[in-house]
Amino acid sequence: DSGVTQTPKHLITATGQRVTLRCSPRSGDLSVYWYQQSLDQGLQFLIQYYNGEERAKGNILERFSAQQFPDLHSELNLSSLELGDSALYFCASSVGARDGYTFGSGTRLTVV
Amino acid sequence: GIQVEQSPPDLILQEGANSTLRCNFSDSVNNLQWFHQNPWGQLINLFYIPSGTKQNGRLSATTVATERYSLLYISSSQTTDSGVYFCAVGQGAQKLVFGQGTRLTINP
Repeated sequence: DSGVTQTPKHLITATGQRVTLRCSPRSGDLSVYWYQQSLDQGLQFLIQYYNGEERAKGNILERFSAQQFPDLHSELNLSSLELGDSALYFCASSVGARDGYTFGSGTRLTVV
Repeated sequence: GIQVEQSPPDLILQEGANSTLRCNFSDSVNNLQWFHQNPWGQLINLFYIPSGTKQNGRLSATTVATERYSLLYISSSQTTDSGVYFCAVGQGAQKLVFGQGTRLTINP
């Protein structure tokens, strides 16, 4: 157990639907990062939060949104899902941006 | 943005062999990490090494920041070392950018 908890582990949903992925960072870590891993694009950065505030955005689609709550857990919302959104979604946490990242076990999303 | 290139893309070795994985990056960085993604998909942090040399058991890593490369050494490979090894770099307080990875297969 890395200390970063992601739920659910697997998710199968239909095109057009909306899902929420949840991440609880390691105790003491203030930064949370979301990454998408697909076969053809590798590991792509989506968004970063630090202590509740958005710090950086990557290649995150407008259909996707995220937030970090006061207890530091984070949620990634994916809406109007398309087949191409099928991927592994990882959450990572760190004390700060210049520290080692700890990854959760990921959520495997399959859109059918 | 910064570019990260890893080589070789694939490596197949027999158990007990040694290997060197390379990571080149296109600009100065102050954050460099190596990860191992095992066959079950888990990403494990191996090293946080923006410069210098570190060792952890059979694994060691060296980053020469001035020449913009890092090396990961695996000695006496075991089948459990199989998986994909990623190098990831960051600048300032920016997020990590990942390379495409080196897929390592260790045969018994």
